[in-house]
Amino acid sequence: AQSVAQPEDQVNVAEGNPLTVKCTYSVSGNPYLFWYVQYPNRGLQFLLKYITGDNLVKGSYGFEAEFNKSQTSFHLKKPSALVSDSALYFCAVRDRTMFSGGYNKLIFGAGTRLAVHP
Amino acid sequence: GAVVSQHPSWVICKSGTSVKIECRSLDFQATTMFWYRQFPKQSLMLMATSNEGSKATYEQGVEKDKFLINHASLTLSTLTVTSAHPEDSSFYICSARDSIYNEQFFGPGTRLTVL
Repeated sequence: AQSVAQPEDQVNVAEGNPLTVKCTYSVSGNPYLFWYVQYPNRGLQFLLKYITGDNLVKGSYGFEAEFNKSQTSFHLKKPSALVSDSALYFCAVRDRTMFSGGYNKLIFGAGTRLAVHP
Repeated sequence: GAVVSQHPSWVICKSGTSVKIECRSLDFQATTMFWYRQFPKQSLMLMATSNEGSKATYEQGVEKDKFLINHASLTLSTLTVTSAHPEDSSFYICSARDSIYNEQFFGPGTRLTVL
């Protein structure tokens, strides 16, 4: 079965320092990978995705993620964290073997809470 | 572009009543919409997928008679929680698939509290 793991419940980082939010996946075939951010009482906002091509994907708000096939990872990174980056981050994989209503399902990780301290 | 709205953003109701939540794609047509449920400090759980003009496909364990989904147009899907109980209290999030770009866009969510 396809799955996504986010091993850290929470990541704490000082403002201005680099941040990494970890994600590993298990899929058969080539994965479609996504990162979303959720602010309190809000829906999910798309940050970036990997479909194919360059392993380093750049997204919104200065975030980037590196697809590593050998390690089956897709860690989210940012060179310099801001207090406003504090939120809940979800990694997701589009499961191309599982359908719901004729459409490939998005499988979400459990989420990682990022706390950036001034 | 690609904005999805939900209404209401929050609702409080008495046990036994029904609540309808609307999900609209504001600037694109969505042949497919998804309804998710999120418990506190947990991930999103897909409840059902609805295709415009056809019956919704429910995930295993989701009661279709309790969570009624209607997708009558290319820009509107509704989720009705029937005979709501306190255990139905949750954050409900919809998303809509842009059929041209094949991307999913998420609504801001609706917090339901059943007393």
